[in-house]
Amino acid sequence: EPEVTQTPSHQVTQMGQEVILRCVPISNHLYFYWYRQILGQKVEFLVSFYNNEISEKSEIFDDQFSVERPDGSNFTLKIRSTKLEDSAMYFCASSEWWGPNYGYTFGSGTRLTVV
Amino acid sequence: GESVGLHLPTLSVQEGDNSIINCAYSNSASDYFIWYKQESGKGPQFIIDIRSNMDKRQGQRVTVLLNKTVKHLSLQIAATQPGDSAVYFCAENAAGGTSYGKLTFGQGTILTVHP
Repeated sequence: EPEVTQTPSHQVTQMGQEVILRCVPISNHLYFYWYRQILGQKVEFLVSFYNNEISEKSEIFDDQFSVERPDGSNFTLKIRSTKLEDSAMYFCASSEWWGPNYGYTFGSGTRLTVV
Repeated sequence: GESVGLHLPTLSVQEGDNSIINCAYSNSASDYFIWYKQESGKGPQFIIDIRSNMDKRQGQRVTVLLNKTVKHLSLQIAATQPGDSAVYFCAENAAGGTSYGKLTFGQGTILTVHP
């Protein structure tokens, strides 16, 4: 079964440092998403991305965050200057078309710990 | 505003029992609902979905019920097994505008199945 792959599985970084979280979406998917989950809380939408541009972003996704599809297979989330409150699980997802009923699949996540 | 919430944060059952997990939503524009299962260290895994023009949908050992009048969603798991132990989230999607891909998640219910 096709999978969304995320690396690394765990990232520890110092406050103020930049981090890049990487995702390889399912190969024939065109729509990409990032979500985060603070420990013990619900999964929260960050951003959706299609055709090399952001389609929608949440209030969480401020100027410290950016997304990029640097090549034909990777989709990245960059946090420019990490804060303690950025510590969370970050999930990438992809779908064939708009909407959760088009093969919307989540990766296993990257646990980001900011110290 | 949009919100999806759960009535019961934890649920403990005996193996073989039926489990019912509940969810309330507040966005009347939501037209698609999904239940996800999340095991420790993994991303949300699709269980079953339902569109707003349906009241009930059945899968293998799972049934989702939708009551639009009171904006309530439930997940029924028949003959619960220890492997069903996980956190269960409901999520909703509101078609229209640019939110086709955005999922709004509820708080989650921890299901523990005792052998």
